[in-house]
Amino acid sequence: QKEVEQNSGPLSVPEGAIASLNCTYSDRGSQSFFWYRQYSGKSPELIMFIYSNGDKEDGRFTAQLNKASQYVSLLIRDSQPSDSATYLCAVNRDFGNEKLTFGTGTRLTIIP
Amino acid sequence: DTAVSQTPKYLVTQMGNDKSIKCEQNLGHDTMYWYKQDSKKFLKIMFSYNNKELIINETVPNRFSPKSPDKAHLNLHINSLELGDSAVYFCASSQTGYTGELFFGEGSRLTVL
Repeated sequence: QKEVEQNSGPLSVPEGAIASLNCTYSDRGSQSFFWYRQYSGKSPELIMFIYSNGDKEDGRFTAQLNKASQYVSLLIRDSQPSDSATYLCAVNRDFGNEKLTFGTGTRLTIIP
Repeated sequence: DTAVSQTPKYLVTQMGNDKSIKCEQNLGHDTMYWYKQDSKKFLKIMFSYNNKELIINETVPNRFSPKSPDKAHLNLHINSLELGDSAVYFCASSQTGYTGELFFGEGSRLTVL
């Protein structure tokens, strides 16, 4: 079992709709959870991080964490073509970035 | 005024050669990293340095040797390159105690022929 699993996609979503990206992790001791966005040929950039169970909202993005189910998700509301990218889920046993374990990413395409 | 810069951006070389990638950050961060991203987009940590001290050394062949002359620089030297070393190598930095963010360089795409 992979440490961090994501559906590789591609996931196609119409413009203006909600995109839902999911991630499961195997280490119950994981404490911090991150979503990075990576455009083709570019470097990853942080979208959101979440530490506590529940929802965390930032603009059009909402991260959801359920530690009991070992599940973290990212919702993108009012999807735009500029949201088309690969989304990488990452987890850490500690509170910080020192040793992130990444998933293989979900490729998201927003259809105009 | 790039925050994390790495050079070169592209390397194409033959098996058996040695190559180096350099990284510099001007963010004042105390921790720097090397990550490897393979053709399937899997991003895996290789090394991490905190204030020039090696703190993470994942299961990486000893052909890979990182070096941090100061906390703003982290270089990666690879000896005896193999086909499987072909990947994009990302340098990144972060500040200990802060939440959230790894700042990545633009990546160095290594192709071993």
